[in-house]
Amino acid sequence: NAGVTQTPKFRVLKTGQSMTLLCAQDMNHEYMYWYRQDPGMGLRLIHYSVGEGTTAKGEVPDGYNVSRLKKQNFLLGLESAAPSQTSVYFCASSHGYEQYFGPGTRLTVT
Amino acid sequence: TQLLEQSPQFLSIQEGENLTVYCNSSSVFSSLQWYRQEPGEGPVLLVTVVTGGEVKKLKRLTFQFGDARKDSSLHITAAQPGDTGLYLCAGRKVGETSGSRLTFGEGTQLTVNP
Repeated sequence: NAGVTQTPKFRVLKTGQSMTLLCAQDMNHEYMYWYRQDPGMGLRLIHYSVGEGTTAKGEVPDGYNVSRLKKQNFLLGLESAAPSQTSVYFCASSHGYEQYFGPGTRLTVT
Repeated sequence: TQLLEQSPQFLSIQEGENLTVYCNSSSVFSSLQWYRQEPGEGPVLLVTVVTGGEVKKLKRLTFQFGDARKDSSLHITAAQPGDTGLYLCAGRKVGETSGSRLTFGEGTQLTVNP
């Protein structure tokens, strides 16, 4: 039982490049979330999903897209990366009050 | 403007001291959670409080939810180096279901020196 896993752990992109972050959970949770964490700003919700095939915008959705084609996977895409998207990205899943977080992806955009 | 404001932002204390971290808002929350995060890892849930005035204890940690459900506090007694980490409060707004979105505070970085 791996919980929530994220791929990759680290990535460096040049401005304008695209990439996809993968989140996988093996707990059969309905809800999944993508957050970004920046110093002094806590965790900010980018997008979330309340079930397979559904997605919704969070607080800071601009510049990101998501897809939830399978219940266990939640993908976060950056179509044209910008330096402002340099951050640590966390995926989480939940079925009740508690959210279970992955270990994070550290992304640097130069 | 942060919906949930934590104070202090940074706290460095000696082993054995007591400390309190605060989480405040002008909004009412149906529940409030505290998470702890260690470097290179994701946050891990410590406690959920749902009733105004509720107090929960977890060994040396005491959590309180304000009577009006707008604020919360975390008190640590006799802090140990193992308590070092980033403490995050997170609230669920009134009307949100149990499995849905949380609003996080900025976090309090606690360092306990031996």
